[in-house]
Amino acid sequence: KQEVTQIPAALSVPEGENLVLNCSFTDSAIYNLQWFRQDHGKGLTSLLLIQSSQREQTSGRLNASLDKSSGRSTLYIAASQPGDSATYLCAAYNAGNNRKLIWGLGTSLAVNP
Amino acid sequence: NAGVTQTPKFQVLKTGQSMTLQCAQDMNHEYMSWYRQDPGMGLRLIHYSVGAGITDQGEVPNGYNVSRSTTEDFPLRLLSAAPSQTSVYFCASSRFSGAGEKLFFGSGTQLSVL
Repeated sequence: KQEVTQIPAALSVPEGENLVLNCSFTDSAIYNLQWFRQDHGKGLTSLLLIQSSQREQTSGRLNASLDKSSGRSTLYIAASQPGDSATYLCAAYNAGNNRKLIWGLGTSLAVNP
Repeated sequence: NAGVTQTPKFQVLKTGQSMTLQCAQDMNHEYMSWYRQDPGMGLRLIHYSVGAGITDQGEVPNGYNVSRSTTEDFPLRLLSAAPSQTSVYFCASSRFSGAGEKLFFGSGTQLSVL
């Protein structure tokens, strides 16, 4: 059974720092992995989607990598800003069921001015 | 560019009452779904639809009904509300039912059942 884990649950950093958020999954037979951002009291916004055949995806200051062999994905945020403060969730699509995402519980990020 | 629209944003019900959470998307997405989000449990799939007239159960379907009469709308019905259904509900959609698509979320409905 696929399980997705995000550690740490919470992270507080000073503005300007480069940081890495981690996402681990137990079953390497994933179809793709998606990173989302959730602002407090709001819905989720898809940030990056990495197909199983890809190693990484980039969007602006964000870079997500995928290593199926180790069961890990990382979200790298460069030059963090207070506006990056939010909860970041990762979700993996199992190869066996395309319609179901397996979700992590998220990392709550606070970027302090 | 509305995207996924959910109504209402907040709702308080008494145990046993019924209600419908509305979800509409204007992106002509084939796939629509309902999730609930609870502290410490993450997002759990309630029901989903891969097109008009087609619905299926997710992980936690008990106590909820859905229908998909049009591509745009995917309402979620609580048949007889229970305190265990207190949660934040999200509707989400994507272009196709395949796994390679980004998922777009509504802003959520915060439901309290007393």
